[in-house]
Amino acid sequence: TQLLEQSPQFLSIQEGENLTVYCNSSSVFSSLQWYRQEPGEGPVLLVTVVTGGEVKKLKRLTFQFGDARKDSSLHITAAQPGDTGLYLCAGSYNDYKLSFGAGTTVTVRA
Amino acid sequence: SQTIHQWPATLVQPVGSPLSLECTVEGTSNPNLYWYRQAAGRGLQLLFYSVGIGQISSEVPQNLSASRPQDRQFILSSKKLLLSDSGFYLCAWSFSVGAFFGQGTRLTVV
Repeated sequence: TQLLEQSPQFLSIQEGENLTVYCNSSSVFSSLQWYRQEPGEGPVLLVTVVTGGEVKKLKRLTFQFGDARKDSSLHITAAQPGDTGLYLCAGSYNDYKLSFGAGTTVTVRA
Repeated sequence: SQTIHQWPATLVQPVGSPLSLECTVEGTSNPNLYWYRQAAGRGLQLLFYSVGIGQISSEVPQNLSASRPQDRQFILSSKKLLLSDSGFYLCAWSFSVGAFFGQGTRLTVV
């Protein structure tokens, strides 16, 4: 079983501040994804990273995949209340099985 | 475009009753399909995944079973529900770099 550990578990910040969420594993993943989920809904895919050292930007969100493909981070610049949600990382080490971390609950206060 | 349908959205069932949750996918063929369960505000636990008709892999021993009678249909079942089966159930299909989720079913066993 491939375990993905996310930290921190909870994060509460003021609007305009920056935040970083981490995802770590002892396994090497062929790809790693980040999802955002709102209460009562299914997770929505934000980004997929596949190459060690890869950095992707999605507006104010920056995603990085570690060189060894075992860890990733999500950085949000100038957070807004609309960024509030549960952020989940997920890793796939073959074509079939997608395992998720426990998630980071982000709250951005206006 | 690909869509995934999951129903019902909410379900309240007595202990010992049977369960059938259905998930269908449109706009793709031979998808990898998944059933996950999520505790409140936490990560997703993989229950079953399927790479083709009649092919089911179980991740954790439990009171549930899954079937895939058609290419784009995935069913989660139980013969007798337990209180511990309560939770938020999510169906998903994956492509090479991510997954799409249904809206989820909130199951409460009473």
